[in-house]
Amino acid sequence: EADIYQTPRYLVIGTGKKITLECSQTMGHDKMYWYQQDPGMELHLIHYSYGVNSTEKGDLSSESTVSRIRTEHFPLTLESARPSHTSQYLCASSVPSRGEQFFGPGTRLTVL
Amino acid sequence: QQPVQSPQAVILREGEDAVINCSSSKALYSVHWYRQKHGEAPVFLMILLKGGEQKGHEKISASFNEKKQQSSLYLTASQLSYSGTYFCGTEPLLMDSSYKLIFGSGTRLLVRP
Repeated sequence: EADIYQTPRYLVIGTGKKITLECSQTMGHDKMYWYQQDPGMELHLIHYSYGVNSTEKGDLSSESTVSRIRTEHFPLTLESARPSHTSQYLCASSVPSRGEQFFGPGTRLTVL
Repeated sequence: QQPVQSPQAVILREGEDAVINCSSSKALYSVHWYRQKHGEAPVFLMILLKGGEQKGHEKISASFNEKKQQSSLYLTASQLSYSGTYFCGTEPLLMDSSYKLIFGSGTRLLVRP
């Protein structure tokens, strides 16, 4: 059983608010990822990190930012939320080699 | 660049077999397969590396045709628990793309009693 956690699980906020989605893993994985997924659709990589102080933007353009100050923690921040940000955000981590990705339960974000 | 999955959806009776395909236009290092049930996170099924190997777990197996950049997922004697959306995730062969997966649009599988 993978130990990767996301909070909050559900979030409803108004336009213009700043939010931070939390993601933590206790497996010591160096690689971590943020995906955006609309209901029933594919996963789009928006950010990834290969280790502490390493972050890169993914293939899908996103107005969010991430940080990686500790190995186990990979938070995602939206400075000013908009209705177009409404989606599910999934955090994942993977083993050192090209291995499987473990996904957190996701945060379902609704921006009114 | 996104891999193409087919079919988009399939409905089976319990005990029937199914094949889900994943094709890429890019040279691949690996193909991952994940299953996502409604309202849940994706769960890893298996990974196939460059070299054309075939892997299996119980009644679910997969193959990777390196020359065609295609992978197929085989579901044998399907069970109700197999229902969900199946995603392939491809890792391009280029070094600057290492460890990043590009996911297909998914195949929705429904197994009925």
